[in-house]
Amino acid sequence: DVKVTQSSRYLVKRTGEKVFLECVQDMDHENMFWYRQDPGLGLRLIYFSYDVKMKEKGDIPEGYSVSREKKERFSLILESASTNQTSMYLCASSSGQFYSPLHFGNGTRLTVT
Amino acid sequence: DQQVKQNSPSLSVQEGRISILNCDYTNSMFDYFLWYKKYPAEGPTFLISISSIKDKNEDGRFTVFLNKSAKHLSLHIVPSQPGDSAVYFCAASNNGAGSYQLTFGKGTKLSVIP
Repeated sequence: DVKVTQSSRYLVKRTGEKVFLECVQDMDHENMFWYRQDPGLGLRLIYFSYDVKMKEKGDIPEGYSVSREKKERFSLILESASTNQTSMYLCASSSGQFYSPLHFGNGTRLTVT
Repeated sequence: DQQVKQNSPSLSVQEGRISILNCDYTNSMFDYFLWYKKYPAEGPTFLISISSIKDKNEDGRFTVFLNKSAKHLSLHIVPSQPGDSAVYFCAASNNGAGSYQLTFGKGTKLSVIP
């Protein structure tokens, strides 16, 4: 089974802090993704990566950046956290083969106060 | 513009009966469709998928139907069980164009009543 591990289940940060959310997958997947989930808005794509050191903006990249230095690890960075970034953050990976599903981690519930 | 729409935010069904969750899409380039199930405080788990070359895919109690002309898909759960109570997300992608990112609907919360 694919395992996608997010380093923290819950985080509380202050406005203006720099925040790192870490994600590791163990299946040698090519693609990795960061989504956020908010009530009534579903899952929205922040950033994704098709290969090491490559990144692409998703639908809502503002206020975020990402890093992929190794194939198995994809980090989401909030340069200066704001209260509107309070959300559930979900990391996912996929193999890059046609018709392969995304596999999600258990999420990080981030609260910015 | 919402490309994947789940118009029912919630659905209640009696245990043992059929649950039907619906999803509409607007992008005719989508060629791969998936359903995910999500429990509170957990990540979404993949349930079932269908490619655009098919109109039906079955896996145990779960069946997904695709109507390309209507740009509509549905998930049938028969029989429904209390453990099926969760939020269900419909998702779509354009794999043929080399895009593996999924576009999600807003979800439907299913409650199966014992």
